[in-house]
Amino acid sequence: AQSVTQPDIHITVSEGASLELRCNYSYGATPYLFWYVQSPGQGLQLLLKYFSGDTLVQGIKGFEAEFKRSQSSFNLRKPSVHWSDAAEYFCAVVGDSGYSTLTFGKGTMLLVSP
Amino acid sequence: GAGVSQSPSNKVTEKGKDVELRCDPISGHTALYWYRQRLGQGLEFLIYFQGNSAPDKSGLPSDRFSAERTGESVSTLTIQRTQQEDSAVYLCASTLSVGGPRSGGELFFGEGSRLTVL
Repeated sequence: AQSVTQPDIHITVSEGASLELRCNYSYGATPYLFWYVQSPGQGLQLLLKYFSGDTLVQGIKGFEAEFKRSQSSFNLRKPSVHWSDAAEYFCAVVGDSGYSTLTFGKGTMLLVSP
Repeated sequence: GAGVSQSPSNKVTEKGKDVELRCDPISGHTALYWYRQRLGQGLEFLIYFQGNSAPDKSGLPSDRFSAERTGESVSTLTIQRTQQEDSAVYLCASTLSVGGPRSGGELFFGEGSRLTVL
């Protein structure tokens, strides 16, 4: 069965600094990978997704992620963090079932310091 | 509506009571998902509806949990004889794509219903 690991529960980054959130997945075939963001009091919003092709994918709000098959990773990056980026970030992989459910990691809470 | 709507936004109940949570998906979205988010945990898949097909109930944690959806409209998640471990945020999501995320369909999430069982 597929699984997703986000090793960092919390990360604190200074405003303007770069950001990398880690995500490792376990899946036998070519994975379909996603990053979602959950801001306080709001639903989850899709940041970006990887299905195939170019391993570096661009998303909304200046985020990007790189798929590395050899490392089973799909890390999220942003070159310069803004205070409004403070939120919880979830990595997800499409499941094995025919109904295409998403399996989520436990999330990484991003805190942005002034 | 413009987005996925869930109600109630907050529900406090006593152990042993039944609760109903409602999800109103985006109009025209054929697929609807329920997820549970317990404190410090990721999202746990509960159930998936696709049109008039039989739902995928593989994520329901016990027979106290059930969900219904009529056609491509509102869904109701029912928890009977609630327990303290049922305390969580229950999230609903819908998508237009028949194949869901595997087909490139983005899931649109509601803001969730926070359930607290005392």
